[in-house]
Amino acid sequence: QQPVQSPQAVILREGEDAVINCSSSKALYSVHWYRQKHGEAPVFLMILLKGGEQKGHEKISASFNEKKQQSSLYLTASQLSYSGTYFCGTESHQAGTALIFGKGTTLSVSS
Amino acid sequence: DTAVSQTPKYLVTQMGNDKSIKCEQNLGHDTMYWYKQDSKKFLKIMFSYNNKELIINETVPNRFSPKSPDKAHLNLHINSLELGDSAVYFCASSQLRGPTSPLHFGNGTRLTVT
Repeated sequence: QQPVQSPQAVILREGEDAVINCSSSKALYSVHWYRQKHGEAPVFLMILLKGGEQKGHEKISASFNEKKQQSSLYLTASQLSYSGTYFCGTESHQAGTALIFGKGTTLSVSS
Repeated sequence: DTAVSQTPKYLVTQMGNDKSIKCEQNLGHDTMYWYKQDSKKFLKIMFSYNNKELIINETVPNRFSPKSPDKAHLNLHINSLELGDSAVYFCASSQLRGPTSPLHFGNGTRLTVT
């Protein structure tokens, strides 16, 4: 079952904050976040596991609400380099075999 | 050193032809994948191999056949290409099978069928 991401697109100025949400109709074991810049491959940002803590590095962090089957990605004080499409990937089983990705959220940061 | 490499980067061909895409990873990972990204950027899992063994085969036409000669290589052969096969195909690898290992993607192969 494909997770649902919202919003579909976000337009920011440098220094502004954004939140991207990912929700599933199924119980989740893990949520991954990736960023893809135009014409490039998706790049791993972080993994959140069931029972795990909120993750983050520098100004990008994420949370995982197991009861609501949701994850949120927080981008604070956005930089131009944050522009791209953000994908969440979910897996419902500990012994699962492949991520199912959402349709992506396009983030555009301008100066 | 490129961790996950795919060849070719671009592939333009006519309907009905057969083509192959090669993928190699030098990360020592156990699991490799093929994902298809369409024009709307939707990333869809096609196949997954763990130590040369097929573990996922999503609803993909039989014209697509993956082959893993060893755990560092996963190739994709496509027969009788159709217009709808046009997309970017990404190879990826992960250290472990399962949801706890990050995916490392190759740079993609843009396939255009005319």
